[in-house]
Amino acid sequence: SQQGEEDPQALSIQEGENATMNCSYKTSINNLQWYRQNSGRGLVHLILIRSNEREKHSGRLRVTLDTSKKSSSLLITASRAADTASYFCATDARGGSQGNLIFGKGTKLSVKP
Amino acid sequence: DVKVTQSSRYLVKRTGEKVFLECVQDMDHENMFWYRQDPGLGLRLIYFSYDVKMKEKGDIPEGYSVSREKKERFSLILESTSTNQTSMYLCASSPHWTGLGNQPQHFGDGTRLSIL
Repeated sequence: SQQGEEDPQALSIQEGENATMNCSYKTSINNLQWYRQNSGRGLVHLILIRSNEREKHSGRLRVTLDTSKKSSSLLITASRAADTASYFCATDARGGSQGNLIFGKGTKLSVKP
Repeated sequence: DVKVTQSSRYLVKRTGEKVFLECVQDMDHENMFWYRQDPGLGLRLIYFSYDVKMKEKGDIPEGYSVSREKKERFSLILESTSTNQTSMYLCASSPHWTGLGNQPQHFGDGTRLSIL
């Protein structure tokens, strides 16, 4: 059951530019999370935004959430080559099984030095 | 920091073999999960467990079973492997639901399983 869908599927930018990735979902949520996955590794949690929050910051990351549009965006400012990775959004559907997150298919970000 | 350890990074098996994938977490998390990740399909949940000896089917449980005899360990069992089970398998753990939504999951580095 697909909940989150990231857009674009792939993004290529130059170092120093900003990268924006979007996520859309279908049902009401308690929170939305963003994860990062380096090639051949597991996912790493980046940031969690609750359904009653509109914006959250963590270092160079900025996440917004629009529950009326069922969408979220992840902005990485002043990108670095080390930001090259796949980024996933994940949601927990209200009324869904405890602990479960539903992951999107990810955005593959390539930052060229 | 939470550490989730998967027993093997790479594994090559032949069709029909029985395979055990082991996962251990060191943070006393109640929830544990097994996913498989395939290009173009994202992460798909196979099984999860929210307590010792408890298990729940995910989206794609067919061909798999799990075991959770101890809180820190969650095993994925492929009873008789087939080539369509070639994939990256990821284990994750998380604390219990807090009433404010599901908690972040902590992932192992994955096992890349090839079935020949």
